[in-house]
Amino acid sequence: EVQLVESGGGLVQPGASLKLSCVASGFTFSDYWMSWVRQTPGKTMEWIGDIKYDGSYTNYAPSLKNRFTISRDNAKSTLYLQMSNVRSEDTATYYCTSGRALFDYWGQGVMVTVSS
Amino acid sequence: DIVMTQSPSSLAVSAGETVTINCKSSQSLLYSGNQKNYLAWYQQKPGQSPKLLIYWASTRQSGVPDRFIGSGSGTDFTLTISSVQAEDLAIYYCQQYYDTPNTFGAGTKLELK
Repeated sequence: EVQLVESGGGLVQPGASLKLSCVASGFTFSDYWMSWVRQTPGKTMEWIGDIKYDGSYTNYAPSLKNRFTISRDNAKSTLYLQMSNVRSEDTATYYCTSGRALFDYWGQGVMVTVSS
Repeated sequence: DIVMTQSPSSLAVSAGETVTINCKSSQSLLYSGNQKNYLAWYQQKPGQSPKLLIYWASTRQSGVPDRFIGSGSGTDFTLTISSVQAEDLAIYYCQQYYDTPNTFGAGTKLELK
């Protein structure tokens, strides 16, 4: 059974940094592109970016490119999202998903709240 | 960015009814090289993560009941749910994967009358 389990969320102050993790199981992680997608409290869905199966290429939503970084550790079957200089508008549930353009498996999501 | 516009934003239905959700893209999602429409539909039930229902505009994901039917081409797409059941109450999103950034519609919330 495919499982994606995110962690690392919580309450963070504006301007701070935060790193989310997603541990994958039930499939060969190193064979798959992976993505991050977020959902705002108002239910708006936004693609953040993706990373190639070997970690050699990343692609980001232009509005987030300068603050967010996606990486992976295939030995640990783990996907990461490094968020820097966070803003109130980054408050959302963050989902780890398998796939590049089509998201066939999703984690349960992790909430990030940006507030002072 | 390609803008995805869904309608209606919410829909109240009775069990057994047939419902139609519309999705319009700001540019064509039909790629001439393979004649495929790069459009997917997701279902998000309350308290759950989204689930992929349909891709290539009309191909059901494995395990999705055949009462879910995707149709359309180019810029206009439809998700039809025939004989709605209580378990279908959810928010439905369309998503284009023709170009990055991938973009989603605002969602259609399906509620019971």
